[in-house]
Amino acid sequence: EVQLQQSGAELGKPGTSVKLSCKVSGYNIRNTYMHWVNQRPGKGLEWIGRIDPANGNTIYAEKFKSKATLTADTSSNTAYMQLSQLKSDDTAIYFCAIRGIGPFDYWGQGVMVTVSS
Amino acid sequence: DIQMTQSPPVLSASVGDRVTLSCKASQNINKNLDWYQQKHGEAPKLLIYYTNNLQTGIPSRFSGSGSGTDYTLTISSLQPEDVATYYCYQYNSGLTFGSGTKLEIK
Repeated sequence: EVQLQQSGAELGKPGTSVKLSCKVSGYNIRNTYMHWVNQRPGKGLEWIGRIDPANGNTIYAEKFKSKATLTADTSSNTAYMQLSQLKSDDTAIYFCAIRGIGPFDYWGQGVMVTVSS
Repeated sequence: DIQMTQSPPVLSASVGDRVTLSCKASQNINKNLDWYQQKHGEAPKLLIYYTNNLQTGIPSRFSGSGSGTDYTLTISSLQPEDVATYYCYQYNSGLTFGSGTKLEIK
């Protein structure tokens, strides 16, 4: 069974960074893209970007190019997302997801990031 | 970037009703569209992939259709457990979620 386990809730001060993790079990992340999606309180889903863990290649949505940095460690089968220069607007739930071909679709449980001084 | 517009933003219907949710792309997305259901406090769940393919385990009352820029998710007989927000998601060029349709029971 494929499972994505995300790290715990984060509280970050404005101007600092946080690094979120997403550990995958039951599937080798080398064989897929890892996506990250956010959801601000009461708002819709927003695609942030994706990484190909096999070679480290990344694609970001335009608005997240200077905000998010995606990395992956194939030895631990874990994907990471660092959010930099935190602002209150970054307060959101962040999901990692595997969206493969056709029906292959798995999501983490989501992690709440709160930005507050 | 491709913009995805969903309508209506909120839909209220009765149990047993046939419900239609719409998603319109700003350009042709060649049927490269999925539908997700998100219940409160949960991760999104894939319902339909590549416009009209039902994900494993999803009830057959859900169906999808469309082409070009216009796509539809239909629930043939609304059930109480279908209360959720529904998102379309295109992957033809970049990846974009629609703005969502919140489905309520009257």
